[in-house]
Amino acid sequence: AQSVAQPEDQVNVAEGNPLTVKCTYSVSGNPYLFWYVQYPNRGLQFLLKYITGDNLVKGSYGFEAEFNKSQTSYHLKKPSALVSDSALYFCAVRRARGSTLGRLYFGRGTQLTVWP
Amino acid sequence: DTAVSQTPKYLVTQMGNDKSIKCEQNLGHDTMYWYKQDSKKFLKIMFSYNNKELIINETVPNRFSPKSPDKAHLNLHINSLELGDSAVYFCASSQGVGGPGEQFFGPGTRLTVL
Repeated sequence: AQSVAQPEDQVNVAEGNPLTVKCTYSVSGNPYLFWYVQYPNRGLQFLLKYITGDNLVKGSYGFEAEFNKSQTSYHLKKPSALVSDSALYFCAVRRARGSTLGRLYFGRGTQLTVWP
Repeated sequence: DTAVSQTPKYLVTQMGNDKSIKCEQNLGHDTMYWYKQDSKKFLKIMFSYNNKELIINETVPNRFSPKSPDKAHLNLHINSLELGDSAVYFCASSQGVGGPGEQFFGPGTRLTVL
């Protein structure tokens, strides 16, 4: 069965400090990995994706994500957090091949709060 | 220049009623989705259409019936609404099935069943 785990329901960090939002997955084969962000009363916005190649993916607004195949992880990072980064972050995984083609599996979300 | 739009944004109705939510995308994508987000913010896929053909049909009560009149539209009709249907429903679209393309989400429709 495919699954995505975000082990922390909440992450709190002070503005200016680095942030990490963790994600691990269990998907057979080589998956595509995504991060989405949801601000209050809004839809999900795409942040980053890993397809292949360099394990460190750089995205919008200073976010980056590090893929680790041996640990089956895809952690979201930012060197210096902003108060405006406070939101709900979702990790998602899609199989590249197989019967569940097209299906995107989401983690349960991590609420990031950045304190001023 | 909204990419994925949904109407209505809010829907408040009584138990037992029938209601519809509409979704439109102007991105030229060929695949569209419906997701349900519950009160704990958990996202669950309900349906997916590719070129107007149903390709994902999760274990959703048959009171929920999607309809895709064309590639740019995917509507969701719900019969005999129940209290447990209260949630936020998101439409999304992407290009292709199973490829690396990301999904683009609409703003959501908050359904409240009284």
